[in-house]
Amino acid sequence: QKEVEQDPGPLSVPEGAIVSLNCTYSNSAFQYFMWYRQYSRKGPELLMYTYSSGNKEDGRFTAQVDKSSKYISLFIRDSQPSDSATYLCAMKKVAGNQFYFGTGTSLTVIP
Amino acid sequence: ETGVTQSPTHLIKTRGQQVTLRCSSQSGHNTVSWYQQALGQGPQFIFQYYREEENGRGNFPPRFSGLQFPNYSSELNVNALELDDSALYLCASSSPSSTDTQYFGPGTRLTVL
Repeated sequence: QKEVEQDPGPLSVPEGAIVSLNCTYSNSAFQYFMWYRQYSRKGPELLMYTYSSGNKEDGRFTAQVDKSSKYISLFIRDSQPSDSATYLCAMKKVAGNQFYFGTGTSLTVIP
Repeated sequence: ETGVTQSPTHLIKTRGQQVTLRCSSQSGHNTVSWYQQALGQGPQFIFQYYREEENGRGNFPPRFSGLQFPNYSSELNVNALELDDSALYLCASSSPSSTDTQYFGPGTRLTVL
C-alpha cells in the first residue's frame, strides 16, 4: 500500500465549475501538506502549503486538511481552461527530509 | 531572482551508459533535492543535499549518486543506466528559513534505449 493515495482521474469539468481534488494517507507522521500544479512536460509548481487541520484559502484555491481522517483536499472555484494540468498532493513528516507525492490527478477544464 | 534551472532539457542514452544531470538552485536556497518522475506517476524522492553533504536518501540504489557545490548547485549522476531509468528528473530547492516548501525546476527528460 502506498503511503499517499490519489485518484489519477482523468477529471473533466466545464469552465466555471468547482473542482474537488483529494488525497488520503496512512501515516499519521505526516504533518506538512502541499499541493502542486504540473503542466505537461514542466516541473511542479507549488500552489498551497499547510501544516494544520482546517482550511487555507488563496484566491480561487482552498486547501483543506483533516488529520483525524487522514484526508486532504484542494478545491478550485470558478475553474478556468488555464487550470487544466495535473495536480499533485505532497506530504512531509516532522522528522526527515523526504517529500511523499501522490500520483497526480489530471484535470481538464472545458471552455 | 532566478528560479531553479536544470540542464540539459532532454537526453538520450543507451543501456549501461552513465549520465550527469545538473541543477542550479534558486537564489538564497542552500538545500537541493532530486526526484525521479516516471510517466503518469508522482515524483519519487532520490536524495537531498545540504551544505554539500547528502542529507537523506530515498529507496534508490547506489548507482544514483550526487554532489552539491559551494554555490549550492548540484549534480545527479546515474551509472549503468537501465531502461527503467527513463523518466523526468526533477531538482527542487528550498531556503534555510522555509525547508518545508520546495521549488522545482523544469526537469531533465532522460530516455534510455
